[in-house]
Amino acid sequence: QQQVKQSPQSLIVQKGGISIINCAYENTAFDYFPWYQQFPGKGPALLIAIRPDVSEKKEGRFTISFNKSAKQFSLHIMDSQPGDSATYFCAARSGSARQLTFGSGTQLTVLP
Amino acid sequence: DAGVIQSPRHEVTEMGQEVTLRCKPISGHNSLFWYRQTMMRGLELLIYFNNNVPIDDSGMPEDRFSAKMPNASFSTLKIQPSEPRDSAVYFCASSHSGSLYEQYFGPGTRLTVT
Repeated sequence: QQQVKQSPQSLIVQKGGISIINCAYENTAFDYFPWYQQFPGKGPALLIAIRPDVSEKKEGRFTISFNKSAKQFSLHIMDSQPGDSATYFCAARSGSARQLTFGSGTQLTVLP
Repeated sequence: DAGVIQSPRHEVTEMGQEVTLRCKPISGHNSLFWYRQTMMRGLELLIYFNNNVPIDDSGMPEDRFSAKMPNASFSTLKIQPSEPRDSAVYFCASSHSGSLYEQYFGPGTRLTVT
């Protein structure tokens, strides 16, 4: 019940296209859903996050869509750029717990 | 503004040897996390500390792994004896209670056990 399932495992998008990464969870106690971005040779870094009381959050070209009833959330990258090529992890946290449960990651490649 | 500092960045050792990984969290952060990342298993939480006290070590794979946090500015992850299957990138991350959501990751230590 603690798992966060992420898909696809890898994604190739043309420059200017839309990248979409999906995550699903079972634990209804999760109350915070961040996305982390990891470049090769670096540690993951927080990209954007959402709470379940909103259905969408947008920061620049990055948007999280959240469907509480379906227990799903997704990351949309608009106008994808080669510099967006990285591994993206969704995650979830419950209540006052400090630990995050991470998805398995999606390796995004944006072709020039 | 220094982020999370990890050392060494790369470690190559032979099977059976002791390995110690080090982490200095961001000043003022009171939670510290150790993760292991592999292609097969992704990003796994090994253990986390709050105010220098281990809170959850259920992710520690076996007794060969141990972690300590003697003070707020230093933590170690030790593997003794090391095995080839321990080869992975080990990350340390920290956060502070005012922002439980965001964890700041270090650059990682790439461990290779031959």
